[in-house]
Amino acid sequence: EAGVAQSPRYKIIEKRQSVAFWCNPISGHATLYWYQQILGQGPKLLIQFQNNGVVDDSQLPKDRFSAERLKGVDSTLKIQPAKLEDSAVYLCASSLITLNTEAFFGQGTRLTVV
Amino acid sequence: DQQVKQNSPSLSVQEGRISILNCDYTNSMFDYFLWYKKYPAEGPTFLISISSIKDKNEDGRFTVFLNKSAKHLSLHIVPSQPGDSAVYFCAASAIRNYGGSQGNLIFGKGTKLSVKP
Repeated sequence: EAGVAQSPRYKIIEKRQSVAFWCNPISGHATLYWYQQILGQGPKLLIQFQNNGVVDDSQLPKDRFSAERLKGVDSTLKIQPAKLEDSAVYLCASSLITLNTEAFFGQGTRLTVV
Repeated sequence: DQQVKQNSPSLSVQEGRISILNCDYTNSMFDYFLWYKKYPAEGPTFLISISSIKDKNEDGRFTVFLNKSAKHLSLHIVPSQPGDSAVYFCAASAIRNYGGSQGNLIFGKGTKLSVKP
């Protein structure tokens, strides 16, 4: 079974530029999450989708971050404009059910904002 | 306000001995707890979980203990192996709907385990 696919693996941008990350969840997983992991911290949920609907985006900085889940499968996370403090690993995860009992994570995208 | 705390940033253990990783939580609404393992440059991998209706769950060399009154859980690895060297994250979830997403995982900061041969 293929795992959660994310791209790119690494991205370096200048502050005020925009960037987009892509995620392809495990086939059949209705729930998709984007987490932000800052160095030395645990992952923090940014947004959770159930199929193509948003379940929770309370911690998403909506003035600069946006996310969508196309047709309830793939998802993109965008940052525009990026700030230095956005430097982090962005992890995508998916699970079969909303209860998040076993979320499967992708390898993540390491973003460096300079 | 950190709801899930892993107070030991690192732990070093000799191969073959027991590794004990600790986790404390503050939110009494949490009713499901998970441990994830993370190698460098990889995403976290699910290891083991426990529901609040249990106080112990065992899977091979890994056992998780939950003490609800103390709001404390621990992960025991016996015997420890060099391949267990990784960062271990404790995570908690409120399966009951509370204030936000049902099932949002709240992670601790992680404990880096080093198992020496």
